Order: sequence, then C-alpha cells, then structure tokens
Amino acid sequence: QQPVQSPQAVILREGEDAVINCSSSKALYSVHWYRQKHGEAPVFLMILLKGGEQKGHEKISASFNEKKQQSSLYLTASQLSYSGTYFCGTDKGVTGGGNKLTFGTGTQLKVEL
Amino acid sequence: DAGVTQSPTHLIKTRGQQVTLRCSPKSGHDTVSWYQQALGQGPQFIFQYYEEEERQRGNFPDRFSGHQFPNYSSELNVNALLLGDSALYLCASSVGLGLYEQYFGPGTRLTVT
Repeated sequence: QQPVQSPQAVILREGEDAVINCSSSKALYSVHWYRQKHGEAPVFLMILLKGGEQKGHEKISASFNEKKQQSSLYLTASQLSYSGTYFCGTDKGVTGGGNKLTFGTGTQLKVEL
Repeated sequence: DAGVTQSPTHLIKTRGQQVTLRCSPKSGHDTVSWYQQALGQGPQFIFQYYEEEERQRGNFPDRFSGHQFPNYSSELNVNALLLGDSALYLCASSVGLGLYEQYFGPGTRLTVT
C-alpha cells in the first residue's frame, strides 16, 4: 500500500522552514526521500535505515520512527532551489531484495521570494 | 561521468502495439530498476534487474517484461499496449542489492493512442 504524505502542498517564503511527513500502514525497513522538479527525474536526498543510520544531504535532515512507521523530512532556511515535489519511498526489507521502493503520494513545495 | 541515460525521449504508439525502452546505468552501477510514473503521481516500481536476472517485481502484468545485458544496460518491453500504459517510464540505477541511493534517468514519455 502506498505511503501517505502530508501536507499535499505547501508554499513557503524564502528562509522559512517546512516539515514533510510520510506514513505507512506496513512495517518498514528503510525510508528514502527524493525531490523531483517539474519535467525532471527524481533526485536522491536521503535514506533512513531501521536502527537510526542515515545517508544523504548535509543540509537536509530527517527522522524515522520505526514504531509508528513514520518519517519526517525537515527543510530549514528554505531556498528557491528547494521547490519541487518531494516523494518518500518505503522499503520492507525483503531479503536480498534491494531497493524495491513504494513511493508516496508526493508533497508539492514551492518557495517564493 | 555520464549519468543514467534513456532512449527514446518520447514515443507515440497505437493500442495493441509493442514497445521497447532502453536504459544505460550510471558508470559503476550494476543494478537497474524500472518505474512507471503517471501524471501527478509518484513512481510505481515495475521490476529490478541485477546480474541479468529479474530480482523483484511490482504489481504489473506479464505484458511488462525486461532484460539486462552483460554491460548492465537494460530494456523494458511492453506488449499489447493499452491506453492506460501512457506514462513516463523512469529507469534508476544503483549498486548491488543493498540500500543505496538510486540515480534516475530523464525518462521516456510514452503516449498510447
């Protein structure tokens, strides 16, 4: 089942902060975050693994609550370049399965001057 | 260093026809995943290839098939095209079957008329 993201859309002024949430109804092994600008391919932001390990951007932070099967992406001091659609991708950790990601519903973020 | 490349960029086919899409992974990557992205939706996992074998598959019918070559490039074949197959088809490459970031190609826009 597809993870649910909230909010669906958000408009920020440059310099403001935002939080994007991702919730799954199923047990998760990892959560992956991607940003996609209009007409472009998704770009990797971060991976959060069960147990707390993180890999990704230095300027973007995220959390992963394994018990609640939720993840949040924190965007601080937003810049115009942060605009785009953010997707979380969840993985159930199938043995030897690699990155079989189920992507969420997406959050459209627009940063204005 | 070339990133993930896909061909063709755009394709228009008629219902019932067959189509082949191609993908070359990023240098150093040996795993290729294919996704279908409908307008306004998140990418949906089709399947993943590693060591020339299909390792995982999403909820797509057998009309969708693939292949990976010894040089790690990959093809996605879709038979008996339906109007609902119209979408952006994204290829993503990564390393092995571990939880590493995926690099997406620009996609192939398929329109079925």
